[in-house]
Amino acid sequence: AQKITQTQPGMFVQEKEAVTLDCTYDTSDPSYGLFWYKQPSSGEMIFLIYQGSYDQQNATEGRYSLNFQKARKSANLVISASQLGDSAMYFCAMREKAGTALIFGKGTTLSVSS
Amino acid sequence: NAGVMQNPRHLVRRRGQEARLRCSPMKGHSHVYWYRQLPEEGLKFMVYLQKENIIDESGMPKERFSAEFPKEGPSILRIQQVVRGDSAAYFCASSPPGGVRENTEAFFGQGTRLTVV
Repeated sequence: AQKITQTQPGMFVQEKEAVTLDCTYDTSDPSYGLFWYKQPSSGEMIFLIYQGSYDQQNATEGRYSLNFQKARKSANLVISASQLGDSAMYFCAMREKAGTALIFGKGTTLSVSS
Repeated sequence: NAGVMQNPRHLVRRRGQEARLRCSPMKGHSHVYWYRQLPEEGLKFMVYLQKENIIDESGMPKERFSAEFPKEGPSILRIQQVVRGDSAAYFCASSPPGGVRENTEAFFGQGTRLTVV
């Protein structure tokens, strides 16, 4: 079974609008971390935001927020006030245990138009 | 994450040649993860090393692929007798001594894009 599922291959949004990128995960570990990364066309992986499984509050970093619904095992990324520079591939990832590698979803391509 | 250096950025090899990809971790980091990203896919874990030790190689193909992280110098991912299916972006991420916890951000290099012709 997929550990990280991103069901939206592509999303389109206009500048200044908010957009939600979906991510569901599957783990039986009680302690885990959830991450979002941005990969622009230049190819590098840029860390955006982190949510821990025991965190009571949703994480926020500037225009990025993470809508964490633990019971539903979802960790959706919300980007407010989209900008043209937000056009990129977005990956959701999970680390289940200390010392283990990140597990990535297949990504969502976000296109922001003016 | 600019501190993790990978080279070369782009590498073209003919089928049957060897590819060597290098990763220098951030200063003070002693653990390295290698990931592979096939076209239109997410990153997939290959191998986890600390200096002079392979901790987890469960994601490495059984043949032609090897990795090392010597006491001095960068970590090397080596692919022997490359085939077209090896064409991908290869990323490394480093972490400090003691390894990563669940909440440890992975600091990625810019990746090496391998093209096999």
